[in-house]
Amino acid sequence: ETGVTQSPTHLIKTRGQQVTLRCSSQSGHNTVSWYQQALGQGPQFIFQYYREEENGRGNFPPRFSGLQFPNYSSELNVNALELDDSALYLCASSFRGNSYEQYFGPGTRLTVT
Amino acid sequence: GESVGLHLPTLSVQEGDNSIINCAYSNSASDYFIWYKQESGKGPQFIIDIRSNMDKRQGQRVTVLLNKTVKHLSLQIAATQPGDSAVYFCAEKVNAGGTSYGKLTFGQGTILTVHP
Repeated sequence: ETGVTQSPTHLIKTRGQQVTLRCSSQSGHNTVSWYQQALGQGPQFIFQYYREEENGRGNFPPRFSGLQFPNYSSELNVNALELDDSALYLCASSFRGNSYEQYFGPGTRLTVT
Repeated sequence: GESVGLHLPTLSVQEGDNSIINCAYSNSASDYFIWYKQESGKGPQFIIDIRSNMDKRQGQRVTVLLNKTVKHLSLQIAATQPGDSAVYFCAEKVNAGGTSYGKLTFGQGTILTVHP
């Protein structure tokens, strides 16, 4: 186990609703990256938070937003949910912003109906 | 653009055989390549990495080979065991001069099934 935890494990939402997913990073890590993994696909980078600021962003619309807290835990918020947002959302923690050594949590399975 | 792809979507082997999982990448600016293992219901698990200035790196029962000429990466698993059954992803981190964040670009994945 990596020590990265995520909550909730599963979530079902209706199109148009908003959702908040949470992640606690591994002890000693100050960076959290979020990824979206559609069924049968590899994870896609959403954004990264380092020292409580967004430190890089992938090709995702502004309705995907996040936060990082002083204890380095993080939230992913998605507004105006669409059916295509159904996926496994993974967070990964690392020791620093540009590190390739990222340790993943178990993910949150989001289903949008 | 950036992309990482796999040659074989599925691989089926017998226990004790050696397995080879292949990956093609397109971004010459990548400075690290990483292999992850993802078991059902779990997040990706870091297996081994290789820096772009290396050709080969060995770990415990695993070897990663990097061929920058043809932009090809492979993961070799020796004496494959049923516990190795999982989806394997290659990922790359792009060193885009001045970029301060570690964005990983993943391939689609290869399903490895090991038969007892």
